[in-house]
Amino acid sequence: EPEVTQTPSHQVTQMGQEVILRCVPISNHLYFYWYRQILGQKVEFLVSFYNNEISEKSEIFDDQFSVERPDGSNFTLKIRSTKLEDSAMYFCASSALTGPQPQHFGDGTRLSIL
Amino acid sequence: QQQVKQSPQSLIVQKGGISIINCAYENTAFDYFPWYQQFPGKGPALLIAIRPDVSEKKEGRFTISFNKSAKQFSLHIMDSQPGDSATYFCAASMDRGNDMRFGAGTRLTVKP
Repeated sequence: EPEVTQTPSHQVTQMGQEVILRCVPISNHLYFYWYRQILGQKVEFLVSFYNNEISEKSEIFDDQFSVERPDGSNFTLKIRSTKLEDSAMYFCASSALTGPQPQHFGDGTRLSIL
Repeated sequence: QQQVKQSPQSLIVQKGGISIINCAYENTAFDYFPWYQQFPGKGPALLIAIRPDVSEKKEGRFTISFNKSAKQFSLHIMDSQPGDSATYFCAASMDRGNDMRFGAGTRLTVKP
């Protein structure tokens, strides 16, 4: 079964540094998402992306965050200047269609900010 | 109004028993209600989902019951097995949107 793959599985970064989290969505999917899960808390929507632009974003997704699809297979989340509170699991997801469709999640990147 | 409230926070069930997890929502614009299963170190995996035009959906041992007037929906796991031990999240989204709102999660433990 096709999978969403995320790299790295664990990223440790000094506060204030930039970090890029990478995702390879399922190949025929057109809609891409990033979610965040702070340890022990619920999964929170960050952003959705379609046709090379952001379609929706949450209040969490401020100017420190950006997303990009640099080529035909990768989808990235960049945090420009990391803060301690950015420490969380970051999940990438993709879906074939928009709206109420199954979103398929990767196994996440654990981001630890020191 | 965008929240989805989930209970209980944790649940312990004997093997063969029925596990029941409940969720409630406020926003009547939500019209897609999936349940996700998450094992440690893994991402959420879609288990089953329902639209509000039906009151129940069953897939194998998993059933969603949906009460539109009460704005509640629940997951029932029949004949619970130790392999079902995981964290379960309910979620809700709107037809026109991609923003999926998750409940806080329920950690299910099925004792052998």
